[in-house]
Amino acid sequence: SQTIHQWPATLVQPVGSPLSLECTVEGTSNPNLYWYRQAAGRGLQLLFYSVGIGQISSEVPQNLSASRPQDRQFILSSKKLLLSDSGFYLCAWSGDRNQPQHFGDGTRLSIL
Amino acid sequence: QKEVEQNSGPLSVPEGAIASLNCTYSDRGSQSFFWYRQYSGKSPELIMFIYSNGDKEDGRFTAQLNKASQYVSLLIRDSQPSDSATYLCAVNPDAGGTSYGKLTFGQGTILTVHP
Repeated sequence: SQTIHQWPATLVQPVGSPLSLECTVEGTSNPNLYWYRQAAGRGLQLLFYSVGIGQISSEVPQNLSASRPQDRQFILSSKKLLLSDSGFYLCAWSGDRNQPQHFGDGTRLSIL
Repeated sequence: QKEVEQNSGPLSVPEGAIASLNCTYSDRGSQSFFWYRQYSGKSPELIMFIYSNGDKEDGRFTAQLNKASQYVSLLIRDSQPSDSATYLCAVNPDAGGTSYGKLTFGQGTILTVHP
């Protein structure tokens, strides 16, 4: 069966510090991968998606970036965090474009 | 702008009742529809998906899709306090296969089932 791992579960970072969140999927190959952010009490905002190694599409302009160095690895990064980057970051995968997305446990990021 | 609209609630139902959650979408070409449950502080969990008009049942859950009216609903029978959560409706437009499985989520409906 397929599983998705996300870490860390919680993270507290100072403003201006860098960020790296990692997501890996097991039990499938060539998944579609997605990064979302959920602000407190708000809906899910799609940040990035990837349909293959090295292929990244950005949905909203921001100071975040994503990379997919391996088939089942998806990384969310920032060089300098802003207060507005606080939120619940979720990684998800799907088998193909019509299949459901399955979410990792998420990373709760607080910026001080 | 492709939109998915849900009543934010909160929707409060007594234990044992039927909870009815509704969702409308703006993109008439949408092909697949999903319901996720999200407990407070947790990630969304898939509970139902539906692709064709009509009803789809899974245990206490029934998803209903009406593409002509552009709405999808979720019924929860015999509601339990453990069903108390936020329910997210998600739509995949997949117009011509160019959406890459991207989903548009509604804001979610908060459901409270009281004993």
